[in-house]
Amino acid sequence: DAKTTQPNSMESNEEEPVHLPCNHSTISGTDYIHWYRQLPSQGPEYVIHGLTSNVNNRMASLAIAEDRKSSTLILHRATLRDAAVYYCILAERYGNKLVFGAGTILRVKS
Amino acid sequence: GAVVSQHPSWVICKSGTSVKIECRSLDFQATTMFWYRQFPKQSLMLMATSNEGSKATYEQGVEKDKFLINHASLTLSTLTVTSAHPEDSSFYICSVRGLAEFYNEQFFGPGTRLTVL
Repeated sequence: DAKTTQPNSMESNEEEPVHLPCNHSTISGTDYIHWYRQLPSQGPEYVIHGLTSNVNNRMASLAIAEDRKSSTLILHRATLRDAAVYYCILAERYGNKLVFGAGTILRVKS
Repeated sequence: GAVVSQHPSWVICKSGTSVKIECRSLDFQATTMFWYRQFPKQSLMLMATSNEGSKATYEQGVEKDKFLINHASLTLSTLTVTSAHPEDSSFYICSVRGLAEFYNEQFFGPGTRLTVL
């Protein structure tokens, strides 16, 4: 499984944008980039995924580098409810096997 | 999307007993469900892939005789931890793969916290 590298933790102020980076230099051509987040004592929650082009949905935006070796999850206006562990995961198209790394702990300050 | 429930949400048992955890897909029929385990302050680890009507596929290092998985219907998969010991204490989470436009997503249950005394 291709690996991802994320910062251990990040901090943001409430209502400001947050950019969560992920490096995946060994990504293969068929790997999709998935982001999930996990709030304390809960199961993970799907955030967004993409292949080559930048993606937007109601939760976040995903910016993918042209060489696909890195990506950035963008939360446009962080709220206290966005405090969670964010996981960047590479998986084949139909995401059968999700291999979770350590993720990034996002802390949001009011 | 999909709504996934787990029962129980938490359970405490004595060492040597067996515990069954249920995972239900509430609003659609799930042919594939996944079971994960998460120890405190660690990440999720995939234990097995559960396919309706067939044997589960276990990840390397996961004992299939200890963690029995039954996916008898399209809405229910169960994980039974047999002869549980304190080292099996963990947060067990199931997920289902979405359908149609959600096929690339997994929808997770709220988790079951198992404590073995």
